[in-house]
Amino acid sequence: EDQVTQSPEALRLQEGESSSLNCSYTVSGLRGLFWYRQDPGKGPEFLFTLYSAGEEKEKERLKATLTKKESFLHITAPKPEDSATYLCAVRLMMDSSYKLIFGSGTRLLVRP
Amino acid sequence: IAGITQAPTSQILAAGRRMTLRCTQDMRHNAMYWYRQDLGLGLRLIHYSNTAGTTGKGEVPDGYSVSRANTDDFPLTLASAVPSQTSVYFCASRAQGSGTGELFFGEGSRLTVL
Repeated sequence: EDQVTQSPEALRLQEGESSSLNCSYTVSGLRGLFWYRQDPGKGPEFLFTLYSAGEEKEKERLKATLTKKESFLHITAPKPEDSATYLCAVRLMMDSSYKLIFGSGTRLLVRP
Repeated sequence: IAGITQAPTSQILAAGRRMTLRCTQDMRHNAMYWYRQDLGLGLRLIHYSNTAGTTGKGEVPDGYSVSRANTDDFPLTLASAVPSQTSVYFCASRAQGSGTGELFFGEGSRLTVL
């Protein structure tokens, strides 16, 4: 069964304390991996798309990386405004209708 | 800039009642989606539409129906609501041919079925 697992479920950091969020996937074939950010009471907001192992994308304090089994979202020197839930999703190789499989997310709290 | 507009924002509904959640986008995206989000389960796809006039079933379609009469609107209907349909519902759209495959989400509709 195709599956996406995110860890940890929740993470508390002090401002400036760098860390990484993990998204591991077990799928029949990966066509793309996506990271979204979701603030409380809001819809998810797109961050990155990764297509192949070894690929990296960066945006401000965030860097996403991809291997054949997992993706990491690295947060460097986080600020309180980085507090949110981070969602990972995959698109399967055989998918023709863009049906993404989402993980359950990692809730990040950055304290000042 | 509107993007995707969902209505209502929040609704409490008696079991057995019919309910339509509305979704409108002004980006002229061909593809639209309905997801439900439940604690610990993440976002799950209910129905999708690749273009006006076509729809398809997602992971959890039972108890829900959709229509796509035009590009902008994609309503989700619960014909006879049940408590297990209590959830937060998100509508999303995507521009076909987008290099990133980015989904644009609405703000969500929180539905409680009693």
